[in-house]
Amino acid sequence: ETGVTQTPRHLVMGMTNKKSLKCEQHLGHNAMYWYKQSAKKPLELMFVYNFKEQTENNSVPSRFSPECPNSSHLFLHLHTLQPEDSALYLCASSPSGGLTDTQYFGPGTRLTVL
Amino acid sequence: DQQVKQNSPSLSVQEGRISILNCDYTNSMFDYFLWYKKYPAEGPTFLISISSIKDKNEDGRFTVFLNKSAKHLSLHIVPSQPGDSAVYFCAASPISNFGNEKLTFGTGTRLTIIP
Repeated sequence: ETGVTQTPRHLVMGMTNKKSLKCEQHLGHNAMYWYKQSAKKPLELMFVYNFKEQTENNSVPSRFSPECPNSSHLFLHLHTLQPEDSALYLCASSPSGGLTDTQYFGPGTRLTVL
Repeated sequence: DQQVKQNSPSLSVQEGRISILNCDYTNSMFDYFLWYKKYPAEGPTFLISISSIKDKNEDGRFTVFLNKSAKHLSLHIVPSQPGDSAVYFCAASPISNFGNEKLTFGTGTRLTIIP
């Protein structure tokens, strides 16, 4: 039990669909992250939220829209995705977003875009 | 352009022997380095870290070595156990990013411990 949960674990969607990924952390952390891991590529940071405020957007296309309603929940809203967006999407949290904070990862959502 | 490179996609080691996983980086601003371990169907879990003021950090069977001049770090696991079979990710961050941690990850090395 990592304390960070993600739903759904698997998602298949068409290019015209709209779906959302959900992340919840039960660790009392104040920073949350979305990462993307494509096949044979390194984990790529997408977004960072610190105390519910977005502090990092790593040049992510607008078809990915994050939402952080509170420190425990993080969403990634998806619309008009492309097949190359198929990947494992990982959520993480850390106590405060500080450099030496350990990030705790969820199990990920495996997304397939048809 | 990958700033953190793990050139060995896979490694097999006999149980009880030493496992050595390597990682190279190109960004001289990186000052803090971490290793994460990932089992199938689970997210990465933090293993061990090292800051650039040190060249070695040890935690039980795991030791990370940092060679700043060579921009190289390695993770040693001794003795290796079957439960160590996983994918290991190296990650790095510049110290100047304090307060807004941004890790750059390598592609990972799949370690298989042979009983």
